[in-house]
Amino acid sequence: AAGVIQSPRHLIKEKRETATLKCYPIPRHDTVYWYQQGPGQDPQFLISFYEKMQSDKGSIPDRFSAQQFSDYHSELNMSSLELGDSALYFCASSPRSRGTQYFGPGTRLLVL
Amino acid sequence: KNEVEQSPQNLTAQEGEFITINCSYSVGISALHWLQQHPGGGIVSLFMLSSGKKKHGRLIATINIQEKHSSLHITASHPRDSAVYICAVIGGNSGGSNYKLTFGKGTLLTVNP
Repeated sequence: AAGVIQSPRHLIKEKRETATLKCYPIPRHDTVYWYQQGPGQDPQFLISFYEKMQSDKGSIPDRFSAQQFSDYHSELNMSSLELGDSALYFCASSPRSRGTQYFGPGTRLLVL
Repeated sequence: KNEVEQSPQNLTAQEGEFITINCSYSVGISALHWLQQHPGGGIVSLFMLSSGKKKHGRLIATINIQEKHSSLHITASHPRDSAVYICAVIGGNSGGSNYKLTFGKGTLLTVNP
């Protein structure tokens, strides 16, 4: 069965650079969630989208933005990267009618 | 105080032992996830439950909504079960698409051969 796809899987950037993370949900899933997991930390909710509209917002810095496109994939744009942005970024997708979230493998971002 | 509390934080067991990991939460929820994360790896959803009990292979998850408590049990534990097990809850506002998860801090399980 198709799973959630994230790209890239690994990314190394320098301070003040920008990064774009992509998430491709399971087919027919219309909701996408983004989570950030810092080293040794539990995941924290960043933002979610339903039917291409932002549905909820968590602890996402103003330097970050995200959107969901017509094919339901989502992109997380991160600007002015800081060392503290180094983390594992997960996305998850779900069908609206159910709550089960299916997680992608994550993108590991390292900011030097 | 965290909304989701797990215990224990660390657990070491011998192969074959019965394992229990507990999760308590302080908010109203519509459902609860048990997740598994291997070191440096992705997250896998083991169970989502809103009442009663679910079983999958050697894994059993129970939830008591009135007591705001859930347990994850592993029978006949095996070294490959070594991972971080995370309890995550979905808020009580299950209307719309607000299914964001609030995570516990995880339980690191090590099963020795």
